[in-house]
Amino acid sequence: SQQGEEDPQALSIQEGENATMNCSYKTSINNLQWYRQNSGRGLVHLILIRSNEREKHSGRLRVTLDTSKKSSSLLITASRAADTASYFCATGGGNTPLVFGKGTRLSVIA
Amino acid sequence: DTEVTQTPKHLVMGMTNKKSLKCEQHMGHRAMYWYKQKAKKPPELMFVYSYEKLSINESVPSRFSPECPNSSLLNLHLHALQPEDSALYLCASSQRLGWNEQFFGPGTRLTVL
Repeated sequence: SQQGEEDPQALSIQEGENATMNCSYKTSINNLQWYRQNSGRGLVHLILIRSNEREKHSGRLRVTLDTSKKSSSLLITASRAADTASYFCATGGGNTPLVFGKGTRLSVIA
Repeated sequence: DTEVTQTPKHLVMGMTNKKSLKCEQHMGHRAMYWYKQKAKKPPELMFVYSYEKLSINESVPSRFSPECPNSSLLNLHLHALQPEDSALYLCASSQRLGWNEQFFGPGTRLTVL
């Protein structure tokens, strides 16, 4: 079963703009992760936010978590063409398998 | 070395063939995973190994047979596959079976004719 649901499914922006992706999940979590996947390649871990954290930064990435709304957002600032990829949220923890959301396909146009 | 390698990169096989996918990591991780990913879909967990023992089998058909010969290697043996098994097969590893950060290989693109 899929835990996370991202929106939008697809996003197209100009280089330099910010990109925001949202993820909603259904059950309680220990943490939430975001991964990036370039076309036809493996996934790369971007950031993990724990259930007791509200916001986390890593370079041009900003992740927020609202456990009351069971939602998270990923913001990529000053986007670059190299950010073009699919972005997945993933939930799981302890003995629960990692379950990925459907993903957002981001296109950054130079 | 923070890399997970997978071979082959591409594989085309007939429904009567037997083939194997290989995965290797040298990060000292003790949990390794196989995922299946169809186009424009998220990865779906197939198997999990923890300390070289099969920990989770997500009701995968027996035509897929995993093997973990040692802590660095993970194989997926394929036999009598169906065309709908065509997908990207991803291997991943993590330090322990704690479901935190996983490191993924580049995947094997499998086509079943």
